[in-house]
Amino acid sequence: DARVTQTPRHKVTEMGQEVTMRCQPILGHNTVFWYRQTMMQGLELLAYFRNRAPLDDSGMPKDRFSAEMPDATLATLKIQPSEPRDSAVYFCASGLGAKNIQYFGAGTRLSVL
Amino acid sequence: GENVEQHPSTLSVQEGDSAVIKCTYSDSASNYFPWYKQELGKGPQLIIDIRSNVGEKKDQRIAVTLNKTAKHFSLHITETQPEDSAVYFCAASEGGGFKTIFGAGTRLFVKA
Repeated sequence: DARVTQTPRHKVTEMGQEVTMRCQPILGHNTVFWYRQTMMQGLELLAYFRNRAPLDDSGMPKDRFSAEMPDATLATLKIQPSEPRDSAVYFCASGLGAKNIQYFGAGTRLSVL
Repeated sequence: GENVEQHPSTLSVQEGDSAVIKCTYSDSASNYFPWYKQELGKGPQLIIDIRSNVGEKKDQRIAVTLNKTAKHFSLHITETQPEDSAVYFCAASEGGGFKTIFGAGTRLFVKA
């Protein structure tokens, strides 16, 4: 049963701390997306990669957020330093080729106190 | 850039009735329109999609219609069941590109 795996599922941290969220895309998928979901803003696209290269990260606050794909099986989203307004559920999704279909992970619920 | 608006934000129906969710988009270059269902504590899951060369698509109790001239598309769920209760998102993207813009979501309640 192929699926996108995100870790951790929940993270509680204090303001100013570094947070790293990890995503394992479905094997063979060549596109990876990071989204943030809040009640106020809905689903916001933060960044996406194709063949491990960043294509668009315009939705991401550049001063504190960074996204990378060290290899084809791992994508990371890092926040440093974290702030209370970063509290949200962060989703990773992966896809293949030009089909545009995205498969979402279960998300990481982040709470910054 | 693309902007997707979705209505209503909340929809309550009786079991067995139909539910309709409507979306509009702004970018005429968009040509792929997926619909996702999100259950509590889970990520969105694709339930149906439509491409711009098709006006309607059905899959059992769900159907999607697309009007490219008016830039709107709709999700229709017939014979609703309690397990259809969830948040539904419409989205739009330009084929070949991968940037997908989501609507704000519709929370559907199906009352038994």
